[in-house]
Amino acid sequence: DAKTTQPNSMESNEEEPVHLPCNHSTISGTDYIHWYRQLPSQGPEYVIHGLTSNVNNRMASLAIAEDRKSSTLILHRATLRDAAVYYCILRLYSSASKIIFGSGTRLSIRP
Amino acid sequence: GAVVSQHPSRVICKSGTSVKIECRSLDFQATTMFWYRQFPKKSLMLMATSNEGSKATYEQGVEKDKFLINHASLTLSTLTVTSAHPEDSSFYICSTSDRATHNEQFFGPGTRLTVL
Repeated sequence: DAKTTQPNSMESNEEEPVHLPCNHSTISGTDYIHWYRQLPSQGPEYVIHGLTSNVNNRMASLAIAEDRKSSTLILHRATLRDAAVYYCILRLYSSASKIIFGSGTRLSIRP
Repeated sequence: GAVVSQHPSRVICKSGTSVKIECRSLDFQATTMFWYRQFPKKSLMLMATSNEGSKATYEQGVEKDKFLINHASLTLSTLTVTSAHPEDSSFYICSTSDRATHNEQFFGPGTRLTVL
């Protein structure tokens, strides 16, 4: 499985934008870029995914570099409820495709 | 979105006993389910892939006789931790995806196992 690299931790202020980076220099052409987050003592939840183009949904935006070797998850206006571990994952387009988690980025939000 | 439930949410047992954890997909059929374990302050580690009607596929280093997986129906997979010991204490999480939206994995809320 292709590997992703993320900073161990980041801090941000409430109501400010947050940019969470992810490097995936060995990404293959069939890998989708997924982001999940895990709040304390809960299972992970899906945030967003993309292949080549930037993506927006109600939770976040995903900016994908032109060479696809890196991506950035953007939370436009952080709230205290966004404090979580964010995982950047590469995955094939298939319901049977397993997810291998890296260490993720622990995001703290200052009130 | 799809909902995945786990039961129990928390279990405490004595060393040497076996514990069964259930994972259910509530509103869709799950051909494939995944089982993870997570130690405190660590990331999720994939244990096995459970396929409905066939044997599970275990990741390297995971003992299949220790962690028994059964996926007898399209809505239920079970993980049984046999002869549990304190080192098996962990947070166990299942996940699956709806074939209609196979880019999104849905995770259960997790089961916290404590072995005394």
